Amino acid sequence: SQELEQSPQSLIVQEGKNLTINCTSSKTLYGLYWYKQKYGEGLIFLMMLQKGGEEKSHEKITAKLDEKKQQSSLHITASQPSHAGIYLCGASLASGTYKYIFGTGTRLKVLA
Amino acid sequence: EAQVTQNPRYLITVTGKKLTVTCSQNMNHEYMSWYRQDPGLGLRQIYYSMNVEVTDKGDVPEGYKVSRKEKRNFPLILESPSPNQTSLYFCASTSRGSYEQFFGPGTRLTVL
Repeated sequence: SQELEQSPQSLIVQEGKNLTINCTSSKTLYGLYWYKQKYGEGLIFLMMLQKGGEEKSHEKITAKLDEKKQQSSLHITASQPSHAGIYLCGASLASGTYKYIFGTGTRLKVLA
Repeated sequence: EAQVTQNPRYLITVTGKKLTVTCSQNMNHEYMSWYRQDPGLGLRQIYYSMNVEVTDKGDVPEGYKVSRKEKRNFPLILESPSPNQTSLYFCASTSRGSYEQFFGPGTRLTVL
């Protein structure tokens, strides 16, 4: 089945530093989603990207989808301890389908 | 408060003993889904439902059953649980035309 590759698998940064998480697919995606998960808890929706070249921001988090709709990046500016958690990218494979795939996640730790 | 609830939150059981994990949403969402999350494998879709009496297999349906008799409920049934079904399970819902999924808090299942 189609996979979403996320990198890095884990990340430790000092508070205040910027960081980027990547999500790559071998095929064109219909929709790309970013979620955040606190350890062992449910997922919280962050952003959805649908159009090639689209970029969205929420507070200090920016997500981009490349023109080919196969790669997305999540960028956090001036990281804070509250940003710590697991970030997952997810994707829907076609319009009108609710069959989803997810990446394996990036575990982020922010040192105060 | 709009939410997805799951019960139980934690369950330890033995091989072969039938169990049901309930999922309920109060947002009148048409779409509901079950996922399992395992270390290194990420979040994988088990089954999803587009509406009442409409269900379909996700990527890992073996060993699971679902039913959707009411719009708000989507129980996950393990007829004969095995140790390889030890996992963290999430239920999610979304409304028609939206791809933002709302996740439940998770059910941690251990099968001995």
